[in-house]
Amino acid sequence: EPEVTQTPSHQVTQMGQEVILRCVPISNHLYFYWYRQILGQKVEFLVSFYNNEISEKSEIFDDQFSVERPDGSNFTLKIRSTKLEDSAMYFCASSVGGELFFGEGSRLTVL
Amino acid sequence: KNEVEQSPQNLTAQEGEFITINCSYSVGISALHWLQQHPGGGIVSLFMLSSGKKKHGRLIATINIQEKHSSLHITASHPRDSAVYICAVRSFAGDKIIFGKGTRLHILP
Repeated sequence: EPEVTQTPSHQVTQMGQEVILRCVPISNHLYFYWYRQILGQKVEFLVSFYNNEISEKSEIFDDQFSVERPDGSNFTLKIRSTKLEDSAMYFCASSVGGELFFGEGSRLTVL
Repeated sequence: KNEVEQSPQNLTAQEGEFITINCSYSVGISALHWLQQHPGGGIVSLFMLSSGKKKHGRLIATINIQEKHSSLHITASHPRDSAVYICAVRSFAGDKIIFGKGTRLHILP
């Protein structure tokens, strides 16, 4: 069964460093999403991406964040200069017909 | 006030019991999702609803659009159903999905 894959599963980084989280969505899906979940809190929407551009973003998704689909298969989330409060689980999801398919998540720890 | 409210926050039940988790929302939606998050953190989509009722195995989800309310039912609950169940709504105006805080379900053998 096709699945959304995310790498890395866990990344530890120093505050101020750039981080790139990678996702391979399911191949025939058209909508892609990034969500985050701070430990013990609810899942939060970051950004949606359709037709090679951002279709919607939340207040959390500020200038420190960017998304890209560099090669037609990968979907990346970049955090330019990480802060302690960026520590969270980041989930990628892809969608077709409205159904959501989530990756296993990438845990980011900022020290 | 949260746009998506779930109740209860925590639920412990004995194996075999009938489980109901409720979700109320305050925004216009195009669809409502029920998700399951396992202790390891992974999230699985259980249902997507825009009206009526859906059933998959022992799981049943219903939605009342007029009352802005949805329920997730689990019949003949089993310890492997222990997880966090999350209600999430897709806003009518776009792609944004708003999540509830989740209901932590623990089924005792």
